[in-house]
Amino acid sequence: EDQVTQSPEALRLQEGESSSLNCSYTVSGLRGLFWYRQDPGKGPEFLFTLYSAGEEKEKERLKATLTKKESFLHITAPKPEDSATYLCAVSQGAQKLVFGQGTRLTINP
Amino acid sequence: KAGVTQTPRYLIKTRGQQVTLSCSPISGHRSVSWYQQTPGQGLQFLFEYFSETQRNKGNFPGRFSGRQFSNSRSEMNVSTLELGDSALYLCASSLAPSGGYNEQFFGPGTRLTVL
Repeated sequence: EDQVTQSPEALRLQEGESSSLNCSYTVSGLRGLFWYRQDPGKGPEFLFTLYSAGEEKEKERLKATLTKKESFLHITAPKPEDSATYLCAVSQGAQKLVFGQGTRLTINP
Repeated sequence: KAGVTQTPRYLIKTRGQQVTLSCSPISGHRSVSWYQQTPGQGLQFLFEYFSETQRNKGNFPGRFSGRQFSNSRSEMNVSTLELGDSALYLCASSLAPSGGYNEQFFGPGTRLTVL
């Protein structure tokens, strides 16, 4: 059965303190790994898609990387507005995303 | 370019009632998927529609159903509501079924509360 596990469940950082969020997955025939950001009471906002091991993508203070078993979302010098829940999801060959439980990130000013 | 829209945004129903939620995908997107989000289970896949046909279905009871219209707009229906159906229902659209390669873009969701 496809599984996606995100860690940590929650992370509290000071503004400017860099860190990484982890997403480990077990799925056969991975088609894509997707990162989303979700603010309270809103729908997930698309961030990145990664397709193959070794791939990296960047957007402002965020960088996503992918290996054969896990993905990392690196946050460099975060600001309070980066506070949100970050969700990781995988697809296996259908328009069905399997989501992890998310990491709730809080950036204190 | 307008994003995915969902109506209504909030809904309060009582047990045993039924409810219909609506989703309009991004213009040009023809695939619509529905997800249920709860604090305990997270985001779970309900079903996916393309060209008015259901292509995939998640592990939910038959009380959950959906349909898609020729303009790609979609509706989902939940009959005989139970307390456990209280959740945020999210609709996501993508260009077309791609075997899992295409990004899905989410709407703001409909918050359903069952009393």
